[in-house]
Amino acid sequence: GENVEQHPSTLSVQEGDSAVIKCTYSDSASNYFPWYKQELGKRPQLIIDIRSNVGEKKDQRIAVTLNKTAKHFSLHITETQPEDSAVYFCAASRRNQGGKLIFGQGTELSVKP
Amino acid sequence: GAGVSQSPSNKVTEKGKDVELRCDPISGHTALYWYRQSLGQGLEFLIYFQGNSAPDKSGLPSDRFSAERTGGSVSTLTIQRTQQEDSAVYLCASSPGTDLSSNQPQHFGDGTRLSIL
Repeated sequence: GENVEQHPSTLSVQEGDSAVIKCTYSDSASNYFPWYKQELGKRPQLIIDIRSNVGEKKDQRIAVTLNKTAKHFSLHITETQPEDSAVYFCAASRRNQGGKLIFGQGTELSVKP
Repeated sequence: GAGVSQSPSNKVTEKGKDVELRCDPISGHTALYWYRQSLGQGLEFLIYFQGNSAPDKSGLPSDRFSAERTGGSVSTLTIQRTQQEDSAVYLCASSPGTDLSSNQPQHFGDGTRLSIL
């Protein structure tokens, strides 16, 4: 079945620096890749997603890139702020499988003021 | 608000008891998902509903776990004869589900934190 690997498990950056989180997936039929942010004790919040017909998508300080050949996708956060501190999860799903998401193990991002 | 609502928010029960967790999806969303998040782990898919049908139950860990959805809205996840390894946060998500050929964003509830003593 599908497997999603996420790295690093923890990431610490200084405020204003960039942060990059990477995920690889095993199922070449995967076509939808969302990213969720989860603050402590809160629900996962969708922050950005990308479909397989697009190589890059940007929303203000957040961007996601997808390399279908290598089967990996990355989250880029620029000009990090302390409120970006949270656990970030990547996920992947296939078309026509009802949208079941397979999640990575998460990256705990800490942004130091 | 009009988000996904789950109850109870916390549940503590003794090993061997049955528990029932409830999810009320966003109004009009036909697709509903249950996931489990163990401490410090990622989310693990359990079951998916499209309307009242469950086309994919492949993530249910054992036959002690079951779920149903009635009226195309509220869903309940039932765990019978609970074990300590069932302790986790159980999350529900919903999506519009109107286009079955493409995946649509899922919106999560706050979850139920289940603790088995």
